[in-house]
Amino acid sequence: EDKVVQSPLSLVVHEGDTVTLNCSYEVTNFRSLLWYKQEKKAPTFLFMLTSSGIEKKSGRLSSILDKKELFSILNITATQTGDSAVYLCAVDYFTNAGKSTFGDGTTLTVKP
Amino acid sequence: DAGITQSPRHKVTETGTPVTLRCHQTENHRYMYWYRQDPGHGLRLIHYSYGVKDTDKGEVSDGYSVSRSKTEDFLLTLESATSSQTSVYFCAISESSVSGANVLTFGAGSRLTVL
Repeated sequence: EDKVVQSPLSLVVHEGDTVTLNCSYEVTNFRSLLWYKQEKKAPTFLFMLTSSGIEKKSGRLSSILDKKELFSILNITATQTGDSAVYLCAVDYFTNAGKSTFGDGTTLTVKP
Repeated sequence: DAGITQSPRHKVTETGTPVTLRCHQTENHRYMYWYRQDPGHGLRLIHYSYGVKDTDKGEVSDGYSVSRSKTEDFLLTLESATSSQTSVYFCAISESSVSGANVLTFGAGSRLTVL
């Protein structure tokens, strides 16, 4: 059975802190890993990672994939209260095109 | 919201009644999905569609059916709602890219309460 596991499940930090969110996976026919951010509504796309070792960056957020050890991390530096959200990772597949499997998410709370 | 709308946005119903949720897209994307999200869980796939009249089951399909008679509409039906189906339902669309990622765009969600 395919598994996507995120840790920690929740995290409380103060503004300015740096956080690292983890996503490990055990799936067959892995194609890509994706990160989404969910504030009080629908998830929105952050990053897509297909190759190992290539860091994706967007402002204070960055992410990297390790296809040998089967995990990804999402780093957020200089956190702001607006970073408070649930962060979801998902994997998709070469076969079963169109399907994605999500982890349970990490709830990040950034306090002023 | 990126050409994807869900209706109704909120619904309260009673156990045993039928419920239909509608997802409408204006993006002409091939793939459409229904997910449910419950506290402590991420998004779990109920059913998905890869074209008109082409659908398949996800990981939590029991008690749900879907139909897609037009590219733009994907309906999720609970034939006889149960309290365990109280949840937030998200529709999503995607067009698998040549880069190899299935990037999902989500609707705003439909909150269903079954009493």
